[in-house]
Amino acid sequence: EAAVTQSPRNKVAVTGGKVTLSCNQTNNHNNMYWYRQDTGHGLRLIHYSYGAGSTEKGDIPDGYKASRPSQENFSLILELATPSQTSVYFCASGADWGRDTGQLYFGEGSKLTVL
Amino acid sequence: QQKVQQSPESLSVPEGGMASFNCTSSDRNFQYFWWYRQHSGEGPKALMSIFSDGDKKEGRFTAHLNKASLHVSLHIRDSQPSDSALYFCAASETSGGNYKPTFGKGTSLVVHP
Repeated sequence: EAAVTQSPRNKVAVTGGKVTLSCNQTNNHNNMYWYRQDTGHGLRLIHYSYGAGSTEKGDIPDGYKASRPSQENFSLILELATPSQTSVYFCASGADWGRDTGQLYFGEGSKLTVL
Repeated sequence: QQKVQQSPESLSVPEGGMASFNCTSSDRNFQYFWWYRQHSGEGPKALMSIFSDGDKKEGRFTAHLNKASLHVSLHIRDSQPSDSALYFCAASETSGGNYKPTFGKGTSLVVHP
């Protein structure tokens, strides 16, 4: 079974502080994604990456940066956290070829509260 | 405008009954669809994909795609309490390679004994 691990699982931050959410995958997938989940909005794409060293803006990138230093790791960075960024964040990986191409494998989520 | 719309927002069915979910894309570039399920406190997990017109069956789950109307549905027969979860439809422009799935808002299913 493909594995995606997120850390931290829970985080409380102060407004204006810096937050880094980390994601590690052992699937050897080229594609990785960060989504946020809010009631009434479903899953919305923040940033994504098609390989180490590359990142792309998703549908709601404002206030977020992303970093993909290696095949396995993909981080989401909130330089100046705001209360509107309180949410549950999900990282996912996906194969770009082969049997399960197109399918996303999600982590367990990181719940962020910005006070 | 939400590019992937799901209905209904919530659904309650008796154990053993049929649960049906709908999904429509307003973007004609979205031709490839996946269904995901999310139990409370967990990340979403893929149920099945459908890329061609018609029906696709996997066990108790059947998906149907109409590419002309960009409408896809999911049906669960013999629903079980363990099927209670949030169901998402996701659409992409490609089936592989460089894809970025767009998700709908989800449908909450409760299966009651």
